[in-house]
Amino acid sequence: SQQGEEDPQALSIQEGENATMNCSYKTSINNLQWYRQNSGRGLVHLILIRSNEREKHSGRLRVTLDTSKKSSSLLITASRAADTASYFCAAVYNFNKFYFGSGTKLNVKP
Amino acid sequence: NAGVMQNPRHLVRRRGQEARLRCSPMKGHSHVYWYRQLPEEGLKFMVYLQKENIIDESGMPKERFSAEFPKEGPSILRIQQVVRGDSAAYFCASSPTGTEGNTIYFGEGSWLTVV
Repeated sequence: SQQGEEDPQALSIQEGENATMNCSYKTSINNLQWYRQNSGRGLVHLILIRSNEREKHSGRLRVTLDTSKKSSSLLITASRAADTASYFCAAVYNFNKFYFGSGTKLNVKP
Repeated sequence: NAGVMQNPRHLVRRRGQEARLRCSPMKGHSHVYWYRQLPEEGLKFMVYLQKENIIDESGMPKERFSAEFPKEGPSILRIQQVVRGDSAAYFCASSPTGTEGNTIYFGEGSWLTVV
């Protein structure tokens, strides 16, 4: 499968803690992107990391990419209750083919 | 700039009926993607289209499903003779270009319920 695969499937933490989600994929990619989905809504783009990049930051988000292991991680620091959502990684091939995993469901308890 | 518009948001069909889902991409976007999401699952790629062309339909079921993106008007995902297993959320996404750094933007989805 070319899809990204996230783990864990579900994560429950207290507000203020950090949340780490992982993603693995199977073949060489152009880039890897992370998206967020609130219940009953569409996906919202969070961050993109290119295949030649190793780490990227955006606000409280930190993404790493290890192409040798074909894996990526998304770290949300100082989590808030409003971060409660499902998070998906998308492995991108040929710039146009986006393959999503099953997602990590994050619950941040106030 | 309006986002990706999908309608209807919710659709109920009886088994054997047809379902038509519409997607208007963001202004200036010529690439459209359709994904299906079953409850508590991730998004499964169905089809990727550009204006008047199907670029990749490797995720589309061979029967009953079809998609188009005409020169004028929205993209349409059509499901004929629906069955209960077609009940899902169908998401459309669009992007402006197929080059590096491409990001796709999602609509709010169309929830199909087959009764």
